[in-house]
Amino acid sequence: EAQVTQNPRYLITVTGKKLTVTCSQNMNHEYMSWYRQDPGLGLRQIYYSMNVEVTDKGDVPEGYKVSRKEKRNFPLILESPSPNQTSLYFCASSLTLPGGGYEQYFGPGTRLTVT
Amino acid sequence: SQQGEEDPQALSIQEGENATMNCSYKTSINNLQWYRQNSGRGLVHLILIRSNEREKHSGRLRVTLDTSKKSSSLLITASRAADTASYFCATDAFTGANSKLTFGKGITLSVRP
Repeated sequence: EAQVTQNPRYLITVTGKKLTVTCSQNMNHEYMSWYRQDPGLGLRQIYYSMNVEVTDKGDVPEGYKVSRKEKRNFPLILESPSPNQTSLYFCASSLTLPGGGYEQYFGPGTRLTVT
Repeated sequence: SQQGEEDPQALSIQEGENATMNCSYKTSINNLQWYRQNSGRGLVHLILIRSNEREKHSGRLRVTLDTSKKSSSLLITASRAADTASYFCATDAFTGANSKLTFGKGITLSVRP
C-alpha cells in the first residue's frame, strides 16, 4: 500500500531535549516536505527536499533541521525544542505531475507537545 | 503572499444539501488543488484544476477556476454526514524546478444528519 508513515504519532517532551520525528514514504517520490499546523494559521511549510541531499527552507524553518540521505526518508530534527514548537506536524511526499507541479500525499501527523 | 484564502471559514448544512466553498488567491498559479482533512488526520488530495481549465468534476465534487478573478470554488453535491471535515485549497505557483504548494487556513464543513 502506498503510504507516508511518521513516528512517533504523539510525543510529549521538555524544553531543550533533542528529538527526531521520522518520515518514510514507499512511493519513490523525489519531493518531500514538512508542515506544521496550528489553529488559525493553517498549514505552513517548514522544510522541503527536491531529492536526495537537496533540502531548502520553507516558510517557518527556524528551530528545525532536516536531512535527506535516502530517497524514502526525510526526518525532522528539533535540536532544542521550545514550547512554541508545540504543534501538529505533517510529512508529505509528492507525486510529480505531467506538465509540472505536485500532488501531495500526507502522513498521519505527529502531535508534539513541548513543556 | 501566495496563500489562498478560503471562504467561508465555517459552513453548516443539512445532509443532502450542496456545499459551496470558495478560495481566492493573489498571484498567478500553475494549478490549484483542494484537500480534505478529517479531524486530526493527514490531508487527502481531492481534485486539481490547472490554470488553463475552467471546470472539473470528480464524483460529487465540482471545482471551478476563474483566473481573471483569481478565485476557485469547490461544490460538493448531495452532501453526506461523512463529508464533515476541513477543506483546504492549495495554490501551486510552479516556476520550473521550484514548485511549491501554499495552503489556505481551511474551511470547516459540518453536515448534519
